[in-house]
Amino acid sequence: IAGITQAPTSQILAAGRRMTLRCTQDMRHNAMYWYRQDLGLGLRLIHYSNTAGTTGKGEVPDGYSVSRANTDDFPLTLASAVPSQTSVYFCASSAGASNQPQHFGDGTRLSIL
Amino acid sequence: GQNIDQPTEMTATEGAIVQINCTYQTSGFNGLFWYQQHAGEAPTFLSYNVLDGLEEKGRFSSFLSRSKGYSYLLLKELQMKDSASYLCAVADSNYQLIWGAGTKLIIKP
Repeated sequence: IAGITQAPTSQILAAGRRMTLRCTQDMRHNAMYWYRQDLGLGLRLIHYSNTAGTTGKGEVPDGYSVSRANTDDFPLTLASAVPSQTSVYFCASSAGASNQPQHFGDGTRLSIL
Repeated sequence: GQNIDQPTEMTATEGAIVQINCTYQTSGFNGLFWYQQHAGEAPTFLSYNVLDGLEEKGRFSSFLSRSKGYSYLLLKELQMKDSASYLCAVADSNYQLIWGAGTKLIIKP
């Protein structure tokens, strides 16, 4: 079934540790996105990529990095996790045109202790 | 600044009709999306409006007024499975989505 796969599903992590959240899509979408979702707040864009080889910063990029080596994969790295990064992280992709909806993975629930 | 406003929570009765409002102030406008998100799950796409007027899709309809910075999602013949959060998002001048915090809809029998 075509879609977006995120891994891990959930993770508990000690503060200061490095962590990479994985995201893979098989829809050949050009654009990919990483969001965090916190209670009472809307989805907030962390980083995005409009096409393979390019990335951009979203609303809340500090403490996170991304890479887009190919069309399918868009990993998100927390270099040194802090408790404020406890959140649900969603990866999404879209065909890229402004009227195309974003399709979301099932999310990664991350707790930083 | 950019802002999307939606009611935090609404309650409706099974079989009834409910209207969820969304007002926005953004730097540019390239369309408005509605998504449904069940608890613990990913958001899923419901509708897209870029021109003024009503778009109907089965039991769900979405309306847009660009001059008023206003949209609503209309859900008819409510079913228990419609209990979810409904997210409004606007594509700004850079085609990035600005998201509202979502409206939690509770359906009672």
